[in-house]
Amino acid sequence: SQTIHQWPATLVQPVGSPLSLECTVEGTSNPNLYWYRQAAGRGLQLLFYSVGIGQISSEVPQNLSASRPQDRQFILSSKKLLLSDSGFYLCAWSVIGGYTFGSGTRLTVV
Amino acid sequence: AQKITQTQPGMFVQEKEAVTLDCTYDTSDQSYGLFWYKQPSSGEMIFLIYQGSYDEQNATEGRYSLNFQKARKSANLVISASQLGDSAMYFCAMRVMDSNYQLIWGAGTKLIIKP
Repeated sequence: SQTIHQWPATLVQPVGSPLSLECTVEGTSNPNLYWYRQAAGRGLQLLFYSVGIGQISSEVPQNLSASRPQDRQFILSSKKLLLSDSGFYLCAWSVIGGYTFGSGTRLTVV
Repeated sequence: AQKITQTQPGMFVQEKEAVTLDCTYDTSDQSYGLFWYKQPSSGEMIFLIYQGSYDEQNATEGRYSLNFQKARKSANLVISASQLGDSAMYFCAMRVMDSNYQLIWGAGTKLIIKP
């Protein structure tokens, strides 16, 4: 079966610290992968998407970066977190049409 | 420009009543797909229903149906016989076929079901 794993579920990090959020998918090959961010009470904002290993497209210029070292692994990173990076981060994958979302990471930068 | 508009930031509905959540979309493409997702307070995004632009019949999934009016570019979600567990944020989203399957999202509607 097709599943998506995202961790950690919650994270509290100080300003200026690094960030690494990981997302892995199982049961599918060559998926399109996405990172979204959701501010409290708002809709989803697409941050990055990837159509293959090493292929990353950025939708919004920001303090974050993404990498796809393996077909089913998608990593969201930052070298130095800002207060404005706080939010709910969702990983998602898509093959032909439907989307499956991870359970999300709630990041609070303090 | 491609855009999804959800004009209802919040709604209160009595339990067991039907509820309609509005969604209008804007695209010049002929081929597109429309999705509705539910997001409870836990944060997970739960897929509810999908309508393709070439589908002639309105999509239905259990208590959910999508009122697709192509000429008006609207894709309203109808929930019949609402339940307390339906309280959540609801998002309408659109996929344009040549966009690497990216989704364009509405701002969401917060639905609260009253007992």
